[in-house]
Amino acid sequence: NAGVMQNPRHLVRRRGQEARLRCSPMKGHSHVYWYRQLPEEGLKFMVYLQKENIIDESGMPKERFSAEFPKEGPSILRIQQVVRGDSAAYFCASSPPGQGAGGYTFGSGTRLTVV
Amino acid sequence: AQTVTQSQPEMSVQEAETVTLSCTYDTSESDYYLFWYKQPPSRQMILVIRQEAYKQQNATENRFSVNFQKAAKSFSLKISDSQLGDAAMYFCAYRSPKGAQKLVFGQGTRLTINP
Repeated sequence: NAGVMQNPRHLVRRRGQEARLRCSPMKGHSHVYWYRQLPEEGLKFMVYLQKENIIDESGMPKERFSAEFPKEGPSILRIQQVVRGDSAAYFCASSPPGQGAGGYTFGSGTRLTVV
Repeated sequence: AQTVTQSQPEMSVQEAETVTLSCTYDTSESDYYLFWYKQPPSRQMILVIRQEAYKQQNATENRFSVNFQKAAKSFSLKISDSQLGDAAMYFCAYRSPKGAQKLVFGQGTRLTINP
């Protein structure tokens, strides 16, 4: 049973370009969370999705950022017109319904560098 | 909103010795979950130990144990017989059982193991 798969592992974009980060949850997991980690900081919640639904996007910047988790395929975090401040590690985590105290399973993250 | 504070940006310990990492949190909830995650240079987030707030007994996982003081809102991690492979960033995290059940992370403690 493969873990949470994130790709690409590293992504370099020029200012103004679009970045697409992908996350395939563990088999049987229908809940996906995205977190952002700035250098030397802890992870900060961005968005929580279930299949075809955004449940909580309170941590997502209002502009340029969007997320989806379609019925088929991976979850996508999309950043339009990237700026230097978007450079960070972006982590995806997945969980099954009713996880209780089980916590999530994290992917290895995508490190985005904006040049 | 819940907050998590790790007041030790860096800690170091001699190999085979014991070290304690501190974590305090703020919440008005009576039921919740607490976690310690390890992040080695590979960037992978690895769950070290978890504690359910309604359980009075402190969680233990091999060389890792916690001192959970609910009234003081304190959740420290003790690592016994430290090994070189324990060197990493350690993050304390809080999760509410309600709503999105997102993780709230502390700022992290960088642990160095001296041979």
